[in-house]
Amino acid sequence: GAVVSQHPSRVICKSGTSVKIECRSLDFQATTMFWYRQFPKQSLMLMATSNEGSKATYEQGVEKDKFLINHASLTLSTLTVTSAHPEDSSFYICSAREYNNYGYTFGSGTRLTVV
Amino acid sequence: QQPVQSPQAVILREGEDAVINCSSSKALYSVHWYRQKHGEAPVFLMILLKGGEQKGHEKISASFNEKKQQSSLYLTASQLSYSGTYFCGSTFSTNAGKSTFGDGTTLTVKP
Repeated sequence: GAVVSQHPSRVICKSGTSVKIECRSLDFQATTMFWYRQFPKQSLMLMATSNEGSKATYEQGVEKDKFLINHASLTLSTLTVTSAHPEDSSFYICSAREYNNYGYTFGSGTRLTVV
Repeated sequence: QQPVQSPQAVILREGEDAVINCSSSKALYSVHWYRQKHGEAPVFLMILLKGGEQKGHEKISASFNEKKQQSSLYLTASQLSYSGTYFCGSTFSTNAGKSTFGDGTTLTVKP
């Protein structure tokens, strides 16, 4: 089955620094990947749709300058949280689909803590 | 446009059955179901496309009622391993593109 690898799984950073999270589709090509944010005991909130070779599409209320997305190849999308603040602390998860009629495969998630 | 899940939480004894519902006010093209364990990413269970199909594997199955814009997930003879939070995800008009997720239903199976 489809596998999506996400790194790092856990990161602690100081307020004001930037953090990059990688999402790779290991055994399939993903022209589109999705980035979610999840707070404790809450649902998955879609942040943006990452499109290979073009700009990401951000959901309403998500700051594109703060959450930089790059999808430079068919197997890699990155999310950079710039100038991180404690309120950015959350569980970030990426997902991709191998085929349109299959479900989404999620990465293992990244728990970001900003201190 | 977020689908609505019910109930919010269910507590069962091993061997009991449960039904989780997911409904939408907007026409659904597909519904997917996922299970998430604490601290882990969601795991895909199954996808149902419009057309009113029913799917299942082992003791977990689901149906999609296109008329009611509703999907139900059926867990029969629940096992301890079924515990977790179940999310439904939905796509609209086509099956390409982004999915919106419900708030989740927390299922706890006790011995």
